Amino acid sequence: GNSVTQMEGPVTLSEEAFLTINCTYTATGYPSLFWYVQYPGEGLQLLLKATKADDKGSNKGFEATYRKETTSFHLEKGSVQVSDSAVYFCALKGGSNYKLTFGKGTLLTVNP
Amino acid sequence: SAVISQKPSRDICQRGTSLTIQCQVDSQVTMMFWYRQQPGQSLTLIATANQGSEATYESGFVIDKFPISRPNLTFSTLTVSNMSPEDSSIYLCSVETGVRSIQYFGAGTRLSVL
Repeated sequence: GNSVTQMEGPVTLSEEAFLTINCTYTATGYPSLFWYVQYPGEGLQLLLKATKADDKGSNKGFEATYRKETTSFHLEKGSVQVSDSAVYFCALKGGSNYKLTFGKGTLLTVNP
Repeated sequence: SAVISQKPSRDICQRGTSLTIQCQVDSQVTMMFWYRQQPGQSLTLIATANQGSEATYESGFVIDKFPISRPNLTFSTLTVSNMSPEDSSIYLCSVETGVRSIQYFGAGTRLSVL
């Protein structure tokens, strides 16, 4: 079945530091890949997505590239802000399966 | 995109009681989903609710414990029945919409069972 393995947290960075959160997946066929973000006390928001190999999703300075050869979808941001403190979830939806499979989430704390 | 409203946003309940969570969407959608997020954990799909048919439950979840209604294309409810402290979680409603079938989430209902 489908699975998502996400970098264990928590991750603590200083403002303006570079961020990488690793995400690898196992799926049959050609899944779509997503990063969701959950700010404190809120629900999940879609951060970015990629639907085919080599696609790059980007939003709010975050980027992730769909790498089929390494089955990865790592999240990156060049300069984090305090407001980026949240839990980040990598997720996939595989082929005709409508179900989203989530990673365990990575808590990011950015200090001023 | 879709705007999803969930009620209540949080509640504290006594063991053995039931709570019904409402999910309202600002547009008609075919597929609605209910997830559970236990403390410090990821999201687990409880069931898929399609209008006009019985909900489809995932392994480990049963209708007697989590009855779901889907009376129309913009509304659904999830009931958590005969609650125990182990049911303390965030319950999230989600809908799938758009050409690329993206899932959008409500803000969640934070449930504590004493």
